[in-house]
Formats: sequence, structure tokens, C-alpha cells
Amino acid sequence: QKEVEQNSGPLSVPEGAIASLNCTYSDRVSQSFFWYRQYSGKSPELIMSIYSNGDKEDGRFTAQLNKASQYVSLLIRDSQPSDSATYLCAVGRSNDYKLSFGAGTTVTVRA
Amino acid sequence: GAVVSQHPSWVICKSGTSVKIECRSLDFQATTMFWYRQFPKQSLMLMATSNEGSKATYEQGVEKDKFLINHASLTLSTLTVTSAHPEDSSFYICSANSGRAQETQYFGPGTRLLVL
Repeated sequence: QKEVEQNSGPLSVPEGAIASLNCTYSDRVSQSFFWYRQYSGKSPELIMSIYSNGDKEDGRFTAQLNKASQYVSLLIRDSQPSDSATYLCAVGRSNDYKLSFGAGTTVTVRA
Repeated sequence: GAVVSQHPSWVICKSGTSVKIECRSLDFQATTMFWYRQFPKQSLMLMATSNEGSKATYEQGVEKDKFLINHASLTLSTLTVTSAHPEDSSFYICSANSGRAQETQYFGPGTRLLVL
């Protein structure tokens, strides 16, 4: 079982719609969770971090965490063509400062 | 957010040569730096973790004699790919944080290496 699993996509949504990205993790004692966006040919950039159960909103992005289900998601509201990228879910391991990354979900927003 | 730089951004070299990549934290002290490699259409693969003033910890399957890492100061880590071969061609990305628990990692812009 992979440490972090994401729906592989690709995910295609029309402009203005909501894009929903899912991520599950295997280490039950993980404490920190991150979503990164990676444009083609570029390095990842942090979008959201979440540490507690529930929702966290930042602009058009909402992260949701459910530790009991070992599940974290990212919603992108009012999707724009500039949101077209690969989104990486990362989970902080409990015993060190390393991050485990999912394989990423590629999102394409159709104009 | 914190800024991490990498140099060079692009390097093309002949097979058998060594290539050094620098990673710098510009506005914070990076206790811990991480080196990743990413092949096309794949996710990030952690190669090693380096802490200032100590030896790097390499992930399983990564040759420490081939990928030399030096974290000489709180703002600089270097990765040297020794005797590079075409299969080492990849996108190398460093990240850093100040070592606090549950802190995110800040990524550099990456270095694209092409070995001919």
C-alpha cells in the first residue's frame, strides 16, 4: 500500500466549476497535511496546509481533513484556466520532518 | 512565504562529468534541506535529507557516493552528481525548512539536468 494515494486523473472541469481532489494516507499518526500545485516544468508551490480535522478555506481553495478516515481533500471553487496544473498531496510523517507525496492529480480547466 | 533558490536552473553536460547544484534559503535559516528527483510525468522522489553540519541521510536505493550532499551552512546545501550518465538526466529539486515540527517545506525552482 502506498503511503499517500491520490485519484490519478486527469480531471477535466469547465471554467467556473468546482474541482474536487482526493487523497488518502496510510500512517494513522500523521499530523500535517499539505497541498502543492505544480505547473509543467516548474517546482511545487504550497497552496494549503491543514493540521486539524475540518475545513480550512483560503480564497477559492478549501482543504478538508478527516483523520479518522485518513482522508484529505482539496476543493477549487470557480476554477480558472490558470488552475490547470498537477496537484500534489503531501503528508508529514510522524517521526521526522519528511513529507510523503502522492503521485499527483492533473487538473485541466476548460475555457 | 520563505524563498529558496537553486543554481543553475539548467545544465547540459557530457557523460562522465560531475555537476554541482546549489540550494540556498534566502530569508530564513534552513536547518533541514531535502533533495528530490522528478522524472517526466512522475511524482517527486526524495533522494536525501541533509541537516546543517552533519552527514546526509539517503533514501533506500540512492547511491551516496554518486550523489554527494554537503550542507555546510544554515543557508546552503549542495548536491554533486558525480560521473553523470544519461540516466541521471532529470529534474532535481531542493526544499528546505527551519526544522520545526509539522512545518511545510519550501521548494526551490529546480534544476534540469541533461547528460549527453
